[in-house]
Amino acid sequence: GAGVSQSPSNKVTEKGKDVELRCDPISGHTALYWYRQRLGQGLEFLIYFQGNSAPDKSGLPSDRFSAERTGESVSTLTIQRTQQEDSAVYLCASSLARYGGKETQYFGPGTRLLVL
Amino acid sequence: KNEVEQSPQNLTAQEGEFITINCSYSVGISALHWLQQHPGGGIVSLFMLSSGKKKHGRLIATINIQEKHSSLHITASHPRDSAVYICAVSGTASKLTFGTGTRLQVTL
Repeated sequence: GAGVSQSPSNKVTEKGKDVELRCDPISGHTALYWYRQRLGQGLEFLIYFQGNSAPDKSGLPSDRFSAERTGESVSTLTIQRTQQEDSAVYLCASSLARYGGKETQYFGPGTRLLVL
Repeated sequence: KNEVEQSPQNLTAQEGEFITINCSYSVGISALHWLQQHPGGGIVSLFMLSSGKKKHGRLIATINIQEKHSSLHITASHPRDSAVYICAVSGTASKLTFGTGTRLQVTL
């Protein structure tokens, strides 16, 4: 079966523009996560969806960042008025989320965002 | 202090060597995860464990819940094992909190 897919794989944008990043999780996975990895730094959590609801948005760095999920499937992460510090690889992961933290997360290939 | 600490940050080994990467955490967890990130950036889950020991091929992961410590061992290392190995922990909410990773280079 297909794994987690993300698009675009690469995105170059100008400072101040809005960008949308897409994630298609594994079919049937109710949990979906967005993470970010800035150059030379570790991975950091952004937001978690259970179904179409986001019970944990604590990692979103500012109100310029938002995300939604529809049909318990595809998710879109939107960054408004991009800044150079938003440059990073944005990773999506999904899991079955049935076991209270004891399930494997499957990662997508990431979207590499460069803000000029 | 980070909630998840890994050591060493960088590790160079010769082919065939036994390798150990350590991870300590300071919070309560549901599970600990070992992930592998190759130079292209893709991340693969190697292990998820909440107690004891797991083995997959040449990889072994152990966890000591009382000491809040885990180790990842690679036996008979090979150049294709070269990657960044990341320790992460999950609570009941499932989101992962990551260590900073260990960059492993295995040479011939």
